[in-house]
Amino acid sequence: EVQLVESGGGLVKPGGSLRLSCAASGFTFSNAWMSWVRQAPGKGLEWVGRIKSKTDGGTTDYAAPVKGRFTISRDDSKNTLYLQMNSLKTEDTAVYYCTTDGHGEPIYFWGQGTLVTVSS
Amino acid sequence: DIQMTQSPSTLSASVGDRVTITCRASQSISSWLAWYQQKPGKAPKLLIYKASSLESGVPSRFSGSGSGTEFTLTISSLQPDDFATYYCQQYNSYQWTFGQGTKVEIK
Repeated sequence: EVQLVESGGGLVKPGGSLRLSCAASGFTFSNAWMSWVRQAPGKGLEWVGRIKSKTDGGTTDYAAPVKGRFTISRDDSKNTLYLQMNSLKTEDTAVYYCTTDGHGEPIYFWGQGTLVTVSS
Repeated sequence: DIQMTQSPSTLSASVGDRVTITCRASQSISSWLAWYQQKPGKAPKLLIYKASSLESGVPSRFSGSGSGTEFTLTISSLQPDDFATYYCQQYNSYQWTFGQGTKVEIK
């Protein structure tokens, strides 16, 4: 069974940093592309970015609102995906979901989400 | 970016009603469209992929159609478990984009 478990959310001040983790199991993580999707309170879904598998280059793509501030990385030895968030803004307040990314496929698997609140 | 526009934003319906939600893309996405159902406090759940393919385990009252820029999600006979918010998503572009959501409420 595929499981994605996010952690690391919490309250942070504007301008601060936070690192989210996503522990993956039930599939071959090292072969998988992975994405982060967020949802602001009461709002819709927004893709944040993705990381390809190392065999596909391990490169990353980001949505315009987070490019230059957020960094996605992975540790295949730990089956873990990361989202490093710097220079946080109030508009980054959201539930952050870790998802599988089938590159050309829909989102089959989602984590339960972790809430990030950016507020002074 | 490809913009996805859903309508309506909110829909009030009764159990047993036939419900249709529309999603329009700002440019052609062929059939690279998915529909998700989300309930409060939960992650979205995949219902339909490739515009009209029903995900395994999803009731057959859900169906999708369309291609290019116009898509629809239809629930043939609304059930109590179907009151939720529905999102379309294009995965034609490497930058995924979602519709703003349609909340299906009890009439």
